Amino acid sequence: GAGVSQSPSNKVTEKGKDVELRCDPISGHTALYWYRQSLGQGLEFLIYFQGNSAPDKSGLPSDRFSAERTGGSVSTLTIQRTQQEDSAVYLCASSYVGGAGSYNEQFFGPGTRLTVL
Amino acid sequence: GDSVTQMEGPVTLSEEAFLTINCTYTATGYPSLFWYVQYPGEGLQLLLKATKADDKGSNKGFEATYRKETTSFHLEKGSVQVSDSAVYFCALPGGSQGNLIFGKGTKLSVKP
Repeated sequence: GAGVSQSPSNKVTEKGKDVELRCDPISGHTALYWYRQSLGQGLEFLIYFQGNSAPDKSGLPSDRFSAERTGGSVSTLTIQRTQQEDSAVYLCASSYVGGAGSYNEQFFGPGTRLTVL
Repeated sequence: GDSVTQMEGPVTLSEEAFLTINCTYTATGYPSLFWYVQYPGEGLQLLLKATKADDKGSNKGFEATYRKETTSFHLEKGSVQVSDSAVYFCALPGGSQGNLIFGKGTKLSVKP
């Protein structure tokens, strides 16, 4: 079956512009995670959705970042007024069940490489 | 909080050499442990996992044993191939939201 897909695969934008990144999880997976992979920070967790709800948004780097999930499926990560330090690869993962204490495998998408000029 | 410490690379080996990538962890309880691999230009893929102490995960010739006594999950392969060149991440689901906590990754380059 289809895996996790993300779009766009690459995004180059100018500083100050808004960007929207999309994630399509595996069908039937209720849990969805966003991570960011950057040279200086390694892989860092951003936000988790169980269904359409994100119980804790404290992992988002700043208030310029927001995320939503609709229909228990597609999720979008929006970055407003992008800065150069936002340049990174944004990874999405889904799993059948998520949350604390859940040890289900997470399946990753190919990522969106964001470059802010 | 939970954490993962992974040997940092890069690691360069000749084909057919033996590979060990060290990983140690700090965790509350006994979480599952994972090795993910990222091939050039691709996303993360689960390489292997172990769900409890003394379990050995294995896949594609790679192995790792969940050692509770030494809190380790070292990745090994007896004979690496050029196609194994990738970045390897040790991880555990130790975040408060079930998110994975990753080591910093080890880049492996295998020369023919």
